[in-house]
Amino acid sequence: NAGVTQTPKFQVLKTGQSMTLQCAQDMNHEYMSWYRQDPGMGLRLIHYSVGAGITDQGEVPNGYNVSRSTTEDFPLRLLSAAPSQTSVYFCASSYSGLAGQNTGELFFGEGSRLTVL
Amino acid sequence: AQTVTQSQPEMSVQEAETVTLSCTYDTSESDYYLFWYKQPPSRQMILVIRQEAYKQQNATENRFSVNFQKAAKSFSLKISDSQLGDAAMYFCAYTGANSKLTFGKGITLSVRP
Repeated sequence: NAGVTQTPKFQVLKTGQSMTLQCAQDMNHEYMSWYRQDPGMGLRLIHYSVGAGITDQGEVPNGYNVSRSTTEDFPLRLLSAAPSQTSVYFCASSYSGLAGQNTGELFFGEGSRLTVL
Repeated sequence: AQTVTQSQPEMSVQEAETVTLSCTYDTSESDYYLFWYKQPPSRQMILVIRQEAYKQQNATENRFSVNFQKAAKSFSLKISDSQLGDAAMYFCAYTGANSKLTFGKGITLSVRP
């Protein structure tokens, strides 16, 4: 089983460049989300989606865009990269969403390490 | 907004001993779920244990158990018979009606042989 697949695993950008982190899951999960992990800050929610066509902001959404055109894919776009966006990014998915609470296990991708110079 | 607090950044335990990791949360909801996740050096996030707020019985998974105190909004993780493979960062997490999963800042657990 592929589970949650994130690409790329590593990326170096220059300030001002744009890029998209891809996330795909093959478990038919309604709920998908993006987190960033920084030392001493834990995991902070960037954006999340409870189903295709529905997205919402998390704790730290500024500088990021998302869309959810299909159940499987949830790409994260950095519009104009800044050094403050240097981080490890995780995509995660789970059952639930429109039907109710996020009650189940959150399945994580392997993470994408992004460095902005 | 819900918050999750892990006040201890680091802990250490002797192999085969028991350790308890603390977590408190703040919410006005009555129906929610709490989780402990483990992140080893491989960076992969692994679910350790889950607690449903409406259940009074504390969840257990083999050597892992929780002490869930709903009134005190406390959710600690006890690891019994600690093993070297338990060394990792542990995150406490909360989810409620809005489906968002909120994480604490994590605690780094080291296991001494």
